[in-house]
Amino acid sequence: QKEVEQNSGPLSVPEGAIASLNCTYSDRGSQSFFWYRQYSGKSPELIMFIYSNGDKEDGRFTAQLNKASQYVSLLIRDSQPSDSATYLCAAMGTGKLIFGQGTTLQVKP
Amino acid sequence: EAGVAQSPRYKIIEKRQSVAFWCNPISGHATLYWYQQILGQGPKLLIQFQNNGVVDDSQLPKDRFSAERLKGVDSTLKIQPAKLEDSAVYLCASSLDLARAGGAETQYFGPGTRLLVL
Repeated sequence: QKEVEQNSGPLSVPEGAIASLNCTYSDRGSQSFFWYRQYSGKSPELIMFIYSNGDKEDGRFTAQLNKASQYVSLLIRDSQPSDSATYLCAAMGTGKLIFGQGTTLQVKP
Repeated sequence: EAGVAQSPRYKIIEKRQSVAFWCNPISGHATLYWYQQILGQGPKLLIQFQNNGVVDDSQLPKDRFSAERLKGVDSTLKIQPAKLEDSAVYLCASSLDLARAGGAETQYFGPGTRLLVL
C-alpha cells in the first residue's frame, strides 16, 4: 500500500514564526509532490508543487524535497493567523495522487 | 477562469437510499477525478477519467458506486444503496492532463458535496 504520512498535529506556532510541516512517502516511483491548504469546511487549494530535489520558494512558502530520504516539507515564513488550516501533502505516482491525512496548523496572535 | 463546479453542496439521505452528485470541470481540462474525504482524513481517489474513459477506478466500491463522464466534460457519481459509512465530503477535481512532469497534472478542486447518511 503506497502511503503518505503526516503528523496530524496540531502544530501551534506564534504569529511571525516559521512553521515547518513535514511529510514522508513510501513510493519511490513518485515524481511530483503537492502541498494543499484546506480551511475547515472548505475544499483543498493548491499552495505549490515540487518535483526536483532541493528547495522551491513562492512568497512566504518554501517546499523542500529529498527523494533519497523520501521526505517533503513545507516552510511558512512570517506565519499569520490566516495561515491556520490543515495542510495536505500529496505524492503523484503512476498517475494517482496519494494524500496524507494532513497536519493542522494553528498560528496564535 | 471559472473553477470546478459541483452540486448539490449538501445532501442528507437515509441509508439504503440512492444519491447522485454532479461535477463540471474547468474548461479544457481533460482529466477529472472524484475523491472521498472522510472527516479527519485526506482525500481518497475513487475514480479518474481521461476525457470520457476511465483511467483508474481501483478504489471505487463498484457494488454500490458508479460514475460516468459520457461526453468528456461533466461527470456524475452515484451511490446506490447508501450506507452509513458513506457519510463524507465528495470532491471533484480536474487537471489539464494526466500526470507528467511540469505541473500539467496539477489538480484543482471543486467546493465538494457534503453527504450525511442517517
